[in-house]
Amino acid sequence: GNSVTQMEGPVTLSEEAFLTINCTYTATGYPSLFWYVQYPGEGLQLLLKATKADDKGSNKGFEATYRKETTSFHLEKGSVQVSDSAVYFCALSDAPSYGKLTFGQGTILTVHP
Amino acid sequence: DAMVIQNPRYQVTQFGKPVTLSCSQTLNHNVMYWYQQKSSQAPKLLFHYYDKDFNNEADTPDNFQSRRPNTSFCFLDIRSPGLGDAAMYLCATSTGQGSEQYFGPGTRLTVT
Repeated sequence: GNSVTQMEGPVTLSEEAFLTINCTYTATGYPSLFWYVQYPGEGLQLLLKATKADDKGSNKGFEATYRKETTSFHLEKGSVQVSDSAVYFCALSDAPSYGKLTFGQGTILTVHP
Repeated sequence: DAMVIQNPRYQVTQFGKPVTLSCSQTLNHNVMYWYQQKSSQAPKLLFHYYDKDFNNEADTPDNFQSRRPNTSFCFLDIRSPGLGDAAMYLCATSTGQGSEQYFGPGTRLTVT
């Protein structure tokens, strides 16, 4: 079956530090990959996506590259801000019929001033 | 220009008292999903509709039901809420085919 594994959290950084959140996946087909972000008390927001190997998704300074050879989709940001504090979920979808998402366990990011 | 709307944002119900949560969308998407999320864990899919076709996840308790009267609206009914059903309930939509899902803000359910 499909699975997504994220690095253990929580992650605590100082403002302007470099961020990496690791994500690896197992899938039988050729999945689409996503990063979602969830701010306290809110629903999930799509942060970025990639639909095929070597695609790079980017948004709001965050980037992730679809690496088929290492089955990875690591999230990076060069300089985090306090406002980036949230929970980050890596997810995949490879169910052509209805786009079911398989989520990683989530990584809590806290950024201090 | 809200796209996926959930009402209410906060719901308090008593143990065993039926409760209905609602979701509406302005995206005209074919697929609507209901998730249960506890304490910053990953959302757990309960069921989804592809148009009018209902698909239940194998481990979704019978206590949870859903209705989709038209493309825009979808309801989650909890017939006899238990204390363990206290959670955030998230509605999402997509066009299917491996595309991204758009989530609503969620309804926080408290069971007293």
